[in-house]
Amino acid sequence: AQTVTQSQPEMSVQEAETVTLSCTYDTSENNYYLFWYKQPPSRQMILVIRQEAYKQQNATENRFSVNFQKAAKSFSLKISDSQLGDTAMYFCAFMNQGTNAGKSTFGDGTTLTVKP
Amino acid sequence: DTEVTQTPKHLVMGMTNKKSLKCEQHMGHRAMYWYKQKAKKPPELMFVYSYEKLSINESVPSRFSPECPNSSLLNLHLHALQPEDSALYLCASSPWDTSNSPLHFGNGTRLTVT
Repeated sequence: AQTVTQSQPEMSVQEAETVTLSCTYDTSENNYYLFWYKQPPSRQMILVIRQEAYKQQNATENRFSVNFQKAAKSFSLKISDSQLGDTAMYFCAFMNQGTNAGKSTFGDGTTLTVKP
Repeated sequence: DTEVTQTPKHLVMGMTNKKSLKCEQHMGHRAMYWYKQKAKKPPELMFVYSYEKLSINESVPSRFSPECPNSSLLNLHLHALQPEDSALYLCASSPWDTSNSPLHFGNGTRLTVT
């Protein structure tokens, strides 16, 4: 079974600064996908960024980037130039490929507050 | 605007009621999911349908009954619920044939069982 750990229940950052959210996971699979999702207080969960495990290059999406360390099973999210609209709960998620394909495992989440 | 539409947005029901939650997507996705989410917690997978067939049931109590009438629709029938079933119920969809596709979530139905 897979596990996903987010060790920071809450974080805060000043507007325009950079913040990094941590995520570690445990799996015996070799092929899988990792995602960061954002859930604002309005409650719709939306994708922030994705990473394929077979790709060594770290994914980047505008102000969001990841530091993917496969050997260490670490997948952190960096938010640059933080904006007030980034205030949300962030979930790290692992998705199987192959057995139990489609089954996502979520971390417990990190509540991020961006302060003006 | 969400591409996965859930109705109703809010639902209050008694423990003896029967109600249904509905979910619809028109993105051509072939996998649809039901998740249950308690406040400040991650979503918990309940059911997965792929190509309109139930592929995963996470040992959900029988008072929750999923139905997938066609590839665009997903229902969750509720009967004899308990107060601890009060939660946000999220529907999601994904293409399925490409494993790196993320989940597309709806806005959820906030369910209160009295």
